[in-house]
Amino acid sequence: DSGVTQTPKHLITATGQRVTLRCSPRSGDLSVYWYQQSLDQGLQFLIQYYNGEERAKGNILERFSAQQFPDLHSELNLSSLELGDSALYFCASSVGGSRQNYGYTFGSGTRLTVV
Amino acid sequence: DQQVKQNSPSLSVQEGRISILNCDYTNSMFDYFLWYKKYPAEGPTFLISISSIKDKNEDGRFTVFLNKSAKHLSLHIVPSQPGDSAVYFCAAILLNTPLVFGKGTRLSVIA
Repeated sequence: DSGVTQTPKHLITATGQRVTLRCSPRSGDLSVYWYQQSLDQGLQFLIQYYNGEERAKGNILERFSAQQFPDLHSELNLSSLELGDSALYFCASSVGGSRQNYGYTFGSGTRLTVV
Repeated sequence: DQQVKQNSPSLSVQEGRISILNCDYTNSMFDYFLWYKKYPAEGPTFLISISSIKDKNEDGRFTVFLNKSAKHLSLHIVPSQPGDSAVYFCAAILLNTPLVFGKGTRLSVIA
């Protein structure tokens, strides 16, 4: 158990639907990162939050949004889902929001299948 | 535009031999590099890292080499063990930006 909890582990939904993925960071970590891993693709950075504030944005579609709550858990919202959104979505956390801690702790991921 | 490239999708090695995983990067401003290991149904876990001011870092059976002039790094595993079979991701960081990952190399260690 890495200390980063992601729910649900698996999600199957239809095109056009909306889903919410949840992440609880490791205790004491203030930064949360969301990554997407599609078939034959590496880990693509989506978005980072640090202590409730958006810190960095990557290749995140406009149909996707995220937030980090006061208790530091984060949610990734995916809407108007398309077949191509099927992927593994990983959440990671770290102590700081910058170079002070390079090591990210990853959750086990949410496998999203859009049918 | 892949800034971190792992050109070998897979690698098979005999148990006890050396495994060499390679990674190339395009951004010369990257100042820290990391390797992560991923087993099926688990998230990636941190393995070893190296600062851009060094050319080698060793941790037990794992050694990472950095060649800045070639924008190339490699991970050596000696001796390779069946438990090392996993997907290995190379990652790089620039200043305060989030980690940039390669596509990964699947290592199979054959007993």
